[in-house]
Amino acid sequence: QQQVKQSPQSLIVQKGGISIINCAYENTAFDYFPWYQQFPGKGPALLIAIRPDVSEKKEGRFTISFNKSAKQFSLHIMDSQPGDSATYFCAASYHDKIIFGKGTRLHILP
Amino acid sequence: DVKVTQSSRYLVKRTGEKVFLECVQDMDHENMFWYRQDPGLGLRLIYFSYDVKMKEKGDIPEGYSVSREKKERFSLILESASTNQTSMYLCASSYGTSGSGWFTDTQYFGPGTRLTVL
Repeated sequence: QQQVKQSPQSLIVQKGGISIINCAYENTAFDYFPWYQQFPGKGPALLIAIRPDVSEKKEGRFTISFNKSAKQFSLHIMDSQPGDSATYFCAASYHDKIIFGKGTRLHILP
Repeated sequence: DVKVTQSSRYLVKRTGEKVFLECVQDMDHENMFWYRQDPGLGLRLIYFSYDVKMKEKGDIPEGYSVSREKKERFSLILESASTNQTSMYLCASSYGTSGSGWFTDTQYFGPGTRLTVL
């Protein structure tokens, strides 16, 4: 009930393509769903986050799609660039609990 | 800019040693967190603190303790280091907006301390 399943583990996308990372959760109490981006040698940094009262949130080239009934959410990176190469973590949280996915290593080919 | 700093980037200790990892944030955040990050396991919460001298266990607190004597500083202590505690340790902090919960605000992470226990 407390897992967040993230897929794929690794992803290779051509420059200009769309990168899609998926997460699924089980506990319906989760009410905050952030995505963190981590570059080598750095700590994770918040990229974008969504709450379950909306089905989509867009910030620049980054979009979260949220499907409450399916308990799934995904990150879409449009026009992927080599600078987007990083590890991405989804997470699900509520007041006193946070669970991170295991991460997706994204590589954008130049 | 929020800044979270960790005392060491790399640390090598021997089994049985007492290890202190220090974290300092400069944004007057109420909440502070310690995670460990292992390949294939993602981030796992060890302990967190929502106020000075207050602490709560996370998902994997065994073998660790914490101390928060000042608002800006949160220490992780390995009482007797073991090889299975070799890992990347990440500190984070967040605002403590009343009623929003400890985990429903942006967390700001430090660069991490890579600890090797021999």
